[in-house]
Amino acid sequence: VIWMTQSPSLLSASTGDRVTISCRMSQGISSYLAWYQQKPGKAPELLIYAASTLQSGVPSRFSGSGSGTDFTLTISCLQSEDFATYYCQQYYSFPWTFGQGTKVEIK
Amino acid sequence: QVQLQESGPGLVKPSQTLSLTCTVSGGSISSGSYYWSWIRQPAGKGLEWIGRIYTSGSTNYNPSLKSRVTISVDTSKNQFSLKLSSVTAADTAVYYCARGPRGSSSDYWGQGTLVTVSS
Repeated sequence: VIWMTQSPSLLSASTGDRVTISCRMSQGISSYLAWYQQKPGKAPELLIYAASTLQSGVPSRFSGSGSGTDFTLTISCLQSEDFATYYCQQYYSFPWTFGQGTKVEIK
Repeated sequence: QVQLQESGPGLVKPSQTLSLTCTVSGGSISSGSYYWSWIRQPAGKGLEWIGRIYTSGSTNYNPSLKSRVTISVDTSKNQFSLKLSSVTAADTAVYYCARGPRGSSSDYWGQGTLVTVSS
């Protein structure tokens, strides 16, 4: 099983801030990493796949980077609609696993 | 645009079998190289991948659930299903179905359905 450490678990920020969320793997996964956004009562939505490829329709203020064991999700200019919980997921080996989540809240 | 919708009982008794169906609309479940997955999320907690299936019938399951899980597909109905046996309160969660392209992550998700395990 690949263990994932996502940090921070809670991030307090203001509109317009640049924020970064980290996801670290217990072993290398190449670029088989996705990032999801989840709002309360809703299903997760895919933001980024293959570590850095933006899903169609996702605003360009979202970006992903990294490969191997260390990955980052960056939101360049936080908007009001970005306050949500974010999850990373590895799909390199079974069982696919998710990070513990990062809640981005209004400061 | 493809849409997925989960359906099934919202309440299941302990030791019984949880059964859910995901109906795919806006496209054929057999078209393209896609897998079809189940993921669950207990209230206030993170996401847990349950397993996936291709329309060929090939499956992969989470070992933590493997002895209790069966995922199947019915291409004639454009549906795939989840069965989880011998449920306990720990299986209470929102269950999501999702689609993903071969070799990539899930891109379309259903809205989720809450299943409570209680007597």
